[in-house]
Amino acid sequence: TQLLEQSPQFLSIQEGENLTVYCNSSSVFSSLQWYRQEPGEGPVLLVTVVTGGEVKKLKRLTFQFGDARKDSSLHITAAQPGDTGLYLCAGDDNFNKFYFGSGTKLNVKP
Amino acid sequence: KAGVTQTPRYLIKTRGQQVTLSCSPISGHRSVSWYQQTPGQGLQFLFEYFSETQRNKGNFPGRFSGRQFSNSRSEMNVSTLELGDSALYLCASSSRTDRTDTQYFGPGTRLTVL
Repeated sequence: TQLLEQSPQFLSIQEGENLTVYCNSSSVFSSLQWYRQEPGEGPVLLVTVVTGGEVKKLKRLTFQFGDARKDSSLHITAAQPGDTGLYLCAGDDNFNKFYFGSGTKLNVKP
Repeated sequence: KAGVTQTPRYLIKTRGQQVTLSCSPISGHRSVSWYQQTPGQGLQFLFEYFSETQRNKGNFPGRFSGRQFSNSRSEMNVSTLELGDSALYLCASSSRTDRTDTQYFGPGTRLTVL
């Protein structure tokens, strides 16, 4: 059973376009992380969100944690080829377990 | 602060052999988790060690084992390798001491089984 569902699975867009990736669950998480992973490398942490309704901005990336702490979204404005990669969300259930979504593979074409 | 390090980065083995992978967590982190990542299955949790004790375990056969030392460094062992064990093995460390706990990943060990 996949606790965290990510959508879409694949996304191919042109440079300059905007996009949103979703991470949904029926479970409540004490915190949620977003990672970006490039081929052959480990996931790199982008952000951790903790409070329900929290919005964090990292340059062109905007992260939101749902009010009920069950879902999250990642919005990228004016995507660039350097944003290409696998985006993973992960939730901490505060009972010693992290759960990962299946990932969204983003390709930004120049 | 130095990040999570994993050695070796690449490994080629043949079926039936065994392999040991090593992970050094971020200084001060007491929790180390191991994951297997394949194109078809995504990131799958293997196990977590905290203060030298295995605290959680995923659904992998007994051929996959691990341990953690008193300095929090961890090793993962896979015995009787199968072709399907070819994957990127990732180690992640976390402090597990506060509400904003986060896992930090190493670069991974790419294992190829021939």
